[in-house]
Amino acid sequence: ETGVTQSPTHLIKTRGQQVTLRCSSQSGHNTVSWYQQALGQGPQFIFQYYREEENGRGNFPPRFSGLQFPNYSSELNVNALELDDSALYLCASSPRTSGSGDTQYFGPGTRLTVL
Amino acid sequence: AQRVTQPEKLLSVFKGAPVELKCNYSYSGSPELFWYVQYSRQRLQLLLRHISRESIKGFTADLNKGETSFHLKKPFAQEEDSAMYYCALTTRGAGSYQLTFGKGTKLSVIP
Repeated sequence: ETGVTQSPTHLIKTRGQQVTLRCSSQSGHNTVSWYQQALGQGPQFIFQYYREEENGRGNFPPRFSGLQFPNYSSELNVNALELDDSALYLCASSPRTSGSGDTQYFGPGTRLTVL
Repeated sequence: AQRVTQPEKLLSVFKGAPVELKCNYSYSGSPELFWYVQYSRQRLQLLLRHISRESIKGFTADLNKGETSFHLKKPFAQEEDSAMYYCALTTRGAGSYQLTFGKGTKLSVIP
C-alpha cells in the first residue's frame, strides 16, 4: 500500500509569483485535505476535496485554490504569493465514508519559501 | 469556533518517569479528539483517537467532557517517545472533517 506522497519537497518563490503543489493520496482514499503549518505552529486547515469537489474551507483567502482529479490526486495553487505564505504545506488523505470522520494520513509536506 | 490549546511548548522528563501532555479544547458540539505524533524526520502520524479507546505504544488518553480535556499519558517514558505531539479535534457529522490542531508540545525524554 503506497502512502501519501507530495511534490516538490522544497520550493523557493518570490513575492507575487504563483505556485502549484501536488499530492497523491493513499490507495483507496477519496478525500484529500490541505494544511498549512507555519514555523512553531500546528497545521492549519486550508480546504478539503471529496470526489473532485471542494468540501469545506478554512480561513484562507481565495488566492488559495485547489483541484482534485478523478484518481483522487490533488493540487494546491497559491496566487500572488506573500512572505507570510512561507510554510510547510501538508496534504492528508482519508478513506471517507458517509457520516463519519476518518483518520487522515499525512504526506511528508512541501516546504515553501517566499522571498 | 473550535480551538485546541496545548499549554506546554516543551516538556522534558527523565526516562522511566510518567508523562502527561496536556490538551484542552473548546467546541460547542460533540468533538472527536486525536493525538498525532511527529518523530524526527518523519511525517505526522496518528497516535490515537478517543473513540478507539486503545493504548498505543503505552500511551492512553481519556476524553473529559466536563473539563474539556484530552490529556495524553504514559506511565514510564522511553527515549523513543521523544517527538512533537499534536492534539487535534474534528467535528462529527459535518460536511467536511477538518482537523483543528493545537500548537504542539515537544517531548524530550532524558536518558
